[in-house]
Amino acid sequence: GQQLNQSPQSMFIQEGEDVSMNCTSSSIFNTWLWYKQDPGEGPVLLIALYKAGELTSNGRLTAQFGITRKDSFLNISASIPSDVGIYFCASRDYKLSFGAGTTVTVRA
Amino acid sequence: DAGVIQSPRHEVTEMGQEVTLRCKPISGHNSLFWYRQTMMRGLELLIYFNNNVPIDDSGMPEDRFSAKMPNASFSTLKIQPSEPRDSAVYFCASSLGAGPADTQYFGPGTRLTVL
Repeated sequence: GQQLNQSPQSMFIQEGEDVSMNCTSSSIFNTWLWYKQDPGEGPVLLIALYKAGELTSNGRLTAQFGITRKDSFLNISASIPSDVGIYFCASRDYKLSFGAGTTVTVRA
Repeated sequence: DAGVIQSPRHEVTEMGQEVTLRCKPISGHNSLFWYRQTMMRGLELLIYFNNNVPIDDSGMPEDRFSAKMPNASFSTLKIQPSEPRDSAVYFCASSLGAGPADTQYFGPGTRLTVL
């Protein structure tokens, strides 16, 4: 499958801080997706990006589809304790290929 | 509306036993996916059905794994015989279609432990 490189692998953040994570690939994609997985649950779609350069927000989350179509980033503003979880980038044609995930832990 | 339903949530079995995981997709969804999540390999697609027909099973690890979708509201993933390396969380997901804009909704997963 496609190789998606996600960074950082994990992060500890202070409540109220802004957080940024990114995903890169050597391949060009037409779709970038960002999922969040809470402990004991399945991944849930946060943001979907379909066009190079596209910048999309969902509440405190903002994601961008890189202009080269080989990267994407996700920002979380003013983090809160419920932001804890694993964030995955993913690409898809008909099937999803996932990055390894970024584990976010919030210090209250 | 009910989401994707998976059962059991947890399964502990001994090596060599048969394991059957079950999934009920969201009503009206035509595509169903089985994923496996491990620390080593992350989330990987095992098999994908569209309109109850297996379309891509290239992710199925080996012949010990089989999946069926006898109707639009039920799918099974069977491992026979099971091995310790099959220990993982298995997710079922469904979507309206298989296009890039069709969101996949994941079930809560089945945590399988093979002793």
